[in-house]
Amino acid sequence: AQKITQTQPGMFVQEKEAVTLDCTYDTSDPSYGLFWYKQPSSGEMIFLIYQGSYDQQNATEGRYSLNFQKARKSANLVISASQLGDSAMYFCAMREGGKVTGANSKLTFGKGITLSVRP
Amino acid sequence: NAGVTQTPKFQVLKTGQSMTLQCAQDMNHNSMYWYRQDPGMGLRLIYYSASEGTTDKGEVPNGYNVSRLNKREFSLRLESAAPSQTSVYFCASRMVAGARPPDIQYFGAGTRLSVL
Repeated sequence: AQKITQTQPGMFVQEKEAVTLDCTYDTSDPSYGLFWYKQPSSGEMIFLIYQGSYDQQNATEGRYSLNFQKARKSANLVISASQLGDSAMYFCAMREGGKVTGANSKLTFGKGITLSVRP
Repeated sequence: NAGVTQTPKFQVLKTGQSMTLQCAQDMNHNSMYWYRQDPGMGLRLIYYSASEGTTDKGEVPNGYNVSRLNKREFSLRLESAAPSQTSVYFCASRMVAGARPPDIQYFGAGTRLSVL
């Protein structure tokens, strides 16, 4: 079974509007972390936002926020006021196993969602 | 701020050739990782090094070897390249303890490898 599921087909959003990118995860570990990365057409992987499983509040970083619904095992990325530069592929990833700072913890990535921002 | 540096950026190999992908980080991170990215597959972990002197297999280690040369450098070697190893390879590093928030992996720019 996939640990990280990103099932949306290519997403389109109008410039200046908000968009939600879906991510569901599967783990039995009570301690885990969820991440979103952006990959523009240039290819680099850019860290956007992090949510720990014990964090009481949803994470926010500028225009990015994470809608964390623990019981539903979902960690959706919300991008507010979309910009043309937001056009990219977005990956959800999960770290599970051991303590948060455990050296052997690893990331599992979803297959990604392509977002296109229309002017 | 160099961060994570990968070399080369592009490489074309013939089947059976060998090569080493180099990765170096200047952030004093403890853990380092090698991933491959294939279309529609996301990133898959090949090998990782939790700390200097240790290496472990990830999800797709077959056909690869790694060396953690020192704290800064982590190389990936293809001994006998196959067309199935055509991919984009990413190196990443992570501070294990003390960072806030913890766990963030920082990535290099990637190496595009084609095996003919």
